[in-house]
Amino acid sequence: DAKTTQPNSMESNEEEPVHLPCNHSTISGTDYIHWYRQLPSQGPEYVIHGLTSNVNNRMASLAIAEDRKSSTLILHRATLRDAAVYYCILSGAGNMLTFGGGTRLMVKP
Amino acid sequence: ETGVTQSPTHLIKTRGQQVTLRCSSQSGHNTVSWYQQALGQGPQFIFQYYREEENGRGNFPPRFSGLQFPNYSSELNVNALELDDSALYLCASSWDRTSGNTIYFGEGSWLTVV
Repeated sequence: DAKTTQPNSMESNEEEPVHLPCNHSTISGTDYIHWYRQLPSQGPEYVIHGLTSNVNNRMASLAIAEDRKSSTLILHRATLRDAAVYYCILSGAGNMLTFGGGTRLMVKP
Repeated sequence: ETGVTQSPTHLIKTRGQQVTLRCSSQSGHNTVSWYQQALGQGPQFIFQYYREEENGRGNFPPRFSGLQFPNYSSELNVNALELDDSALYLCASSWDRTSGNTIYFGEGSWLTVV
């Protein structure tokens, strides 16, 4: 399975944009890029996913590099509720997810 | 609210016992996966069921088994419990197994083995 690399932790100020990077240099042509976040003692929450084009939804934006070897999750205005562990995951055939360690996002008021 | 419900939310078992965890997938979702998440770790894929058949399996021993029913709900069974089986067990469902379908997780079942 293709793997992803994320920073262990990041810090942001409330109401500022946050850019969470993810490297996936061994991604295959059919792998989708998924982002989930997880609060303590809760199940992972779907954030966004995409294949090649940039994607936007009410929660976030996903910017995918032209060569697809990296992507960035963009939270447009961080709130305290956005503090969580963010996972960047690739899914191939069968749509099974292989989680890595994720990025712990801390949001300062 | 993802529509994926799991039961029980918490349970305590003794080493050597057996446990069954249950999951109701989101309405219309025919694909269910189970994940194990140890404290401080990311979730690890156990197996996936698609239309009542096991469709893929992670690196877990045979004492981890499952079922999917005609209504697409699912069970995870673990036999001969070990202390290291203590974890959050997550169920996830999707419309089908095609790559790119959105996958929704439940809140999990916390299992403690003593």
